[in-house]
Amino acid sequence: QKEVEQNSGPLSVPEGAIASLNCTYSDRGSQSFFWYRQYSGKSPELIMSIYSNGDKEDGRFTAQLNKASQYVSLLIRDSQPSDSATYLCAVNLVYGQNFVFGPGTRLSVLP
Amino acid sequence: GAVVSQHPSWVICKSGTSVKIECRSLDFQATTMFWYRQFPKQSLMLMATSNEGSKATYEQGVEKDKFLINHASLTLSTLTVTSAHPEDSSFYICSADLRDSNEQFFGPGTRLTVL
Repeated sequence: QKEVEQNSGPLSVPEGAIASLNCTYSDRGSQSFFWYRQYSGKSPELIMSIYSNGDKEDGRFTAQLNKASQYVSLLIRDSQPSDSATYLCAVNLVYGQNFVFGPGTRLSVLP
Repeated sequence: GAVVSQHPSWVICKSGTSVKIECRSLDFQATTMFWYRQFPKQSLMLMATSNEGSKATYEQGVEKDKFLINHASLTLSTLTVTSAHPEDSSFYICSADLRDSNEQFFGPGTRLTVL
């Protein structure tokens, strides 16, 4: 079983819609959860981090964490074509140690 | 803040040569840096974890004698690809751990092409 799983997509949404990206992880002891955005040919850029159950909002982005279900999601409101990228979910088992990345979900926002 | 740089941003070399890639944390000290490799249309693959002043920890399947990592200071880690071959052509990305926040920040990456 893969440690961090994501739907590879592509996920296509119309401009202005809500994009919902999902991620599940296998290790119940995971402590920290991150969403990165990666444009083609570029390195990943941190969007959100979340450490406790519930929602965390930052602008158009909302991260949701449910540790009981081992599930973390990212919602992008009012999606823009510039949001088209691959979104990587990362999970950290032990504070200060390496992350485990999911395979990424490719999002395409259609104008 | 939390800016990580890499140099060079791209390099083309002949098969059999060695290539050194530098990763620097510009505005913070990073006790831990990570080296990743990414092939086209694939996700990041962790190669090794580099701690300042100690030997790097390599992931399974990564040859430590081929990918030499040196983390000589709190702001600099280097990856040397020795005797590079075409199959080593990839996008190499480093990241640095911002200790107090447990967040990783990535450098811009180095695209290596071995002819």
